[in-house]
Amino acid sequence: DAEITQSPRHKITETGRQVTLACHQTWNHNNMFWYRQDLGHGLRLIHYSYGVQDTNKGEVSDGYSVSRSNTEDLPLTLESAASSQTSVYFCASSATGSGANVLTFGAGSRLTVL
Amino acid sequence: AQSVTQPDIHITVSEGASLELRCNYSYGATPYLFWYVQSPGQGLQLLLKYFSGDTLVQGIKGFEAEFKRSQSSFNLRKPSVHWSDAAEYFCAGAVYGKLTFGQGTILTVHP
Repeated sequence: DAEITQSPRHKITETGRQVTLACHQTWNHNNMFWYRQDLGHGLRLIHYSYGVQDTNKGEVSDGYSVSRSNTEDLPLTLESAASSQTSVYFCASSATGSGANVLTFGAGSRLTVL
Repeated sequence: AQSVTQPDIHITVSEGASLELRCNYSYGATPYLFWYVQSPGQGLQLLLKYFSGDTLVQGIKGFEAEFKRSQSSFNLRKPSVHWSDAAEYFCAGAVYGKLTFGQGTILTVHP
């Protein structure tokens, strides 16, 4: 079965370290998204990609970067982790055309920055 | 700016009672609208979606939602709540595949 996998599921890091969260999907979806979830804010869009070599900033992109070198993967990098980036991160993907707005979500990655 | 608002942060109902969770949206045009449910420590599961057509949409687990253009609302309903429905519920609007989420409503179900 097709799936979307996030790793690691839990990570603790220190302020200033670089952190990369992986997202891998086997749906063959062109569209991929990264959201963060914080209490009282719901989910907020960090970055998104509509295809290989395409990346776009979302609502809360400062301090984050992504790259899309193939269809399956959209890793999220925190260049210098800050305590404000402690959150749960969700990756999602969707097809193009009529299915573009129906997202499939990963299980989430909980990041703690000390 | 696009926004989705869920006015109720926390709702408590008794098992077997009816449920309505409110959602209002603000977009330049009618977006695609969704309701997701999230159980503790889990990812998001799609309950139902509205694209166009019939304004009353049926979803999984006995949920339904009604789109009202005049009120910019997309409220979620269930006639009889089960204890297993306790979770956090998110309303979302989408344009070009980018979802904007409401803040979420936590549902507690009393036996």
